[in-house]
Amino acid sequence: QKEVEQDPGPLSVPEGAIVSLNCTYSNSAFQYFMWYRQYSRKGPELLMYTYSSGNKEDGRFTAQVDKSSKYISLFIRDSQPSDSATYLCAMSGRQAGTALIFGKGTTLSVSS
Amino acid sequence: DAGVIQSPRHEVTEMGQEVTLRCKPISGHDYLFWYRQTMMRGLELLIYFNNNVPIDDSGMPEDRFSAKMPNASFSTLKIQPSEPRDSAVYFCASSLRGSDTQYFGPGTRLTVL
Repeated sequence: QKEVEQDPGPLSVPEGAIVSLNCTYSNSAFQYFMWYRQYSRKGPELLMYTYSSGNKEDGRFTAQVDKSSKYISLFIRDSQPSDSATYLCAMSGRQAGTALIFGKGTTLSVSS
Repeated sequence: DAGVIQSPRHEVTEMGQEVTLRCKPISGHDYLFWYRQTMMRGLELLIYFNNNVPIDDSGMPEDRFSAKMPNASFSTLKIQPSEPRDSAVYFCASSLRGSDTQYFGPGTRLTVL
C-alpha cells in the first residue's frame, strides 16, 4: 500500500460546480497536510496548508483533515475554468517545508 | 524575486550519456529539494539539502544519480550513465526554515533515447 493514495481522475465539471478532491494516507505520523496546484508544464505551487486535524478556508477553497480516518479533502466552490489543473496532496510528519510525500495528483477540467 | 531557476528546460540525450541538471534556489532559502515526476510514480523526492548539506538522499534511485550543492545559490543533479527509464520531469524546489511553503522551479523535461 502506498503511503498516499489519490484518485488521478480526470475529473470534468461545468463552471460553477462544487469540486471535491480527496486523498487517503496510511502513516499516522503525518501532521502537516498541503494541497499543491500544478498547471500544465509548470511546477507545483502551494494552494492550502493545514496542520493536524480541522478545516481551513481561503476564498473559494476549503481544506479538511480527518486524522482519525486518515483522509484529507479539498473543496472548490464556484469552480472556474482557471481552476483547471492537477491538484496534488502532500503531507509530512516533520516540520513543514521539509520532506513531503505527494499523492499522484487529480487532474481537474472546468468547462465554461 | 525571480523564483527558482532551473536549466536546461528541456534535455534530450542518448542512453549512456551524462546528464547534468542545474538549479538556483530563491535567495535566502536554506532548504533545497530535488524531485522527479512521472505519470507512473507521481512526484517523488530524490534528495534534499539544508544549508548546502545533504540531509536525506534515500530517494535517489541508484548510484547513477548524484547531487551536489557547492554553495547556497547553486545545485546540480547528475545522471551518469543515463537510461531511458530516467525520462521524467525533474523539479527543484527551495524553502525557508520554519516556512510551510516549498517553491518549485519550472522543471527540466528529460528524455533519454
